[in-house]
Amino acid sequence: AQKVTQAQTEISVVEKEDVTLDCVYETRDTTYYLFWYKQPPSGELVFLIRRNSFDEQNEISGRYSWNFQKSTSSFNFTITASQVVDSAVYFCALTFSGGYNKLIFGAGTRLAVHP
Amino acid sequence: DSGVTQTPKHLITATGQRVTLRCSPRSGDLSVYWYQQSLDQGLQFLIHYYNGEERAKGNILERFSAQQFPDLHSELNLSSLELGDSALYFCASSYGPGNSPLHFGNGTRLTVT
Repeated sequence: AQKVTQAQTEISVVEKEDVTLDCVYETRDTTYYLFWYKQPPSGELVFLIRRNSFDEQNEISGRYSWNFQKSTSSFNFTITASQVVDSAVYFCALTFSGGYNKLIFGAGTRLAVHP
Repeated sequence: DSGVTQTPKHLITATGQRVTLRCSPRSGDLSVYWYQQSLDQGLQFLIHYYNGEERAKGNILERFSAQQFPDLHSELNLSSLELGDSALYFCASSYGPGNSPLHFGNGTRLTVT
């Protein structure tokens, strides 16, 4: 069975702090895809990144970076120098090759960045 | 802006009623997906259509149905509504039937009273 666990329900930081959101996944498939989505207070789901299981390179996009480690089945997301606009719920999701984008979402981590 | 359009944004209705949620995918996208976000179940996949054909079903109740029309827009029909159907319903689209990134609309918030 496939499962995504985001153990951190809520995180509160002060602006400019770095913060890491954890994501641990379970799957028996050898080919799979991992995603991060952001849901700001306005409610929409914003795509952040997709990573396939064969690409373990870490990725950096501005203040965002992602650390994919197959050995620990983790796909963690770090925001450097957090800003108030980063306040949102962040979802990690998983699907497998042939899964037709049937994303399995984690429960989400609510990040509050205070000025 | 993801390019996926969902209407209406908000819907308030009574138990036992029927509603229709509408979704227009991004230009060029052939796949449409429906997801439900509720407080108790989180984000759950409901159903996927590719170029008018149903491709995959998730935890979709029998009271719910969907279709994708020749112009690729999709409708999700919810009938015999119950209080527990209150949720945020998202539509998403992608180009292919596979694992290309999903782009979500802003959702339709359904409140059943």
